[in-house]
Amino acid sequence: KNEVEQSPQNLTAQEGEFITINCSYSVGISALHWLQQHPGGGIVSLFMLSSGKKKHGRLIATINIQEKHSSLHITASHPRDSAVYICAAPSNFGNEKLTFGTGTRLTIIP
Amino acid sequence: DAGITQSPRYKITETGRQVTLMCHQTWSHSYMFWYRQDLGHGLRLIYYSAAADITDKGEVPDGYVVSRSKTENFPLTLESATRSQTSVYFCASKDRSLTEAFFGQGTRLTVV
Repeated sequence: KNEVEQSPQNLTAQEGEFITINCSYSVGISALHWLQQHPGGGIVSLFMLSSGKKKHGRLIATINIQEKHSSLHITASHPRDSAVYICAAPSNFGNEKLTFGTGTRLTIIP
Repeated sequence: DAGITQSPRYKITETGRQVTLMCHQTWSHSYMFWYRQDLGHGLRLIYYSAAADITDKGEVPDGYVVSRSKTENFPLTLESATRSQTSVYFCASKDRSLTEAFFGQGTRLTVV
């Protein structure tokens, strides 16, 4: 079973700061997912990536397959970015079942 | 409306009662999942389904039953609710290929 760990658990930053959230996993994977959960509770998929880097607006996700590590970056952070960010990896290589990290609670202060 | 929907959004039930949480998706995705989310834990898989009439246990299946007679529906039944099943339940779906997963809005279940 893939073990997925995120850090930090909680992160508070000032508006405009560059944010980095880290995710490490123990088993080789085909793709890793980053998800966002807003205070209202809904979960939205941000990225699915299997190599390199992906960018969507101010969000950037990177993955290093060899080191079993992924990062989510937010540039020019804004209070509306406040949410819980969750990474998830397949339980085993090629498996559709996901193992989730416990999430990083991000708070951006105006 | 296209998407994945859960019902009800909120439910309070008594210990010992049977409760069914509904999940419906409009994309004809092959895979559907039920997760529970509790403080201190990541989302944990209860059951999943790879296609209609194909279901399998996840990490925490005890006390739950699922069925999938149609591709678009994946109901989760708590046969005899217990307080430890108080949680937020999320349904999700995804296509067979390497694609993102889509989540319902969640059902907050309280067992008293």
